[in-house]
Amino acid sequence: GAVVSQHPSRVICKSGTSVKIECRSLDFQATTMFWYRQFPKQSLMLMATSNEGSKATYEQGVEKDKFLINHASLTLSTLTVTSAHPEDSSFYICSGLNRGLYEQYFGPGTRLTVT
Amino acid sequence: QKEVEQDPGPLSVPEGAIVSLNCTYSNSAFQYFMWYRQYSRKGPELLMYTYSSGNKEDGRFTAQVDKSSKYISLFIRDSQPSDSATYLCAMSWYQGAQKLVFGQGTRLTINP
Repeated sequence: GAVVSQHPSRVICKSGTSVKIECRSLDFQATTMFWYRQFPKQSLMLMATSNEGSKATYEQGVEKDKFLINHASLTLSTLTVTSAHPEDSSFYICSGLNRGLYEQYFGPGTRLTVT
Repeated sequence: QKEVEQDPGPLSVPEGAIVSLNCTYSNSAFQYFMWYRQYSRKGPELLMYTYSSGNKEDGRFTAQVDKSSKYISLFIRDSQPSDSATYLCAMSWYQGAQKLVFGQGTRLTINP
């Protein structure tokens, strides 16, 4: 199956700083990538959808100025959490849509802790 | 009311048992139904993918969709300790949909 990587796998940052999370599709071209957030014992909540070369589409209630998404190439998308606060602490997961197979492949997730 | 409802468990069964996991949904427009398995602190991996109503079998796993009842199931036969994980159902409106709607996930433990 297709592989998606995320970096870092875990990050701890201080309140007010910004954190960048990378999502890469390693062996396929992902024209669309998705960013999800998952709180403990809860389901995945879609935050935004990004298409390569276009601005991301954010779900209702997700602040686009706080969660900056860039999808500069068919294999890389980044999520930057700006001015992070403790309530932003969560598990962030990306996925890539494999063009032609119509299947989302998920990354291993990044655990963000804001102190 | 959530669009997709799934009992979060936890569910604990002995090794070798048949496991039944279920989701109900409210949006009749859903056409594609998926089951994902998620190990602790990992991303979900796709287990089964079904279009519309019917059954689909893959090894020890069987997925069932009953659109008339808005109810989907995943059965695991001859369950193994390695099946211990959280199982998430997900649905979408069309193939390659931009958005998947997930259930809460059921935490399953298979006891040796």
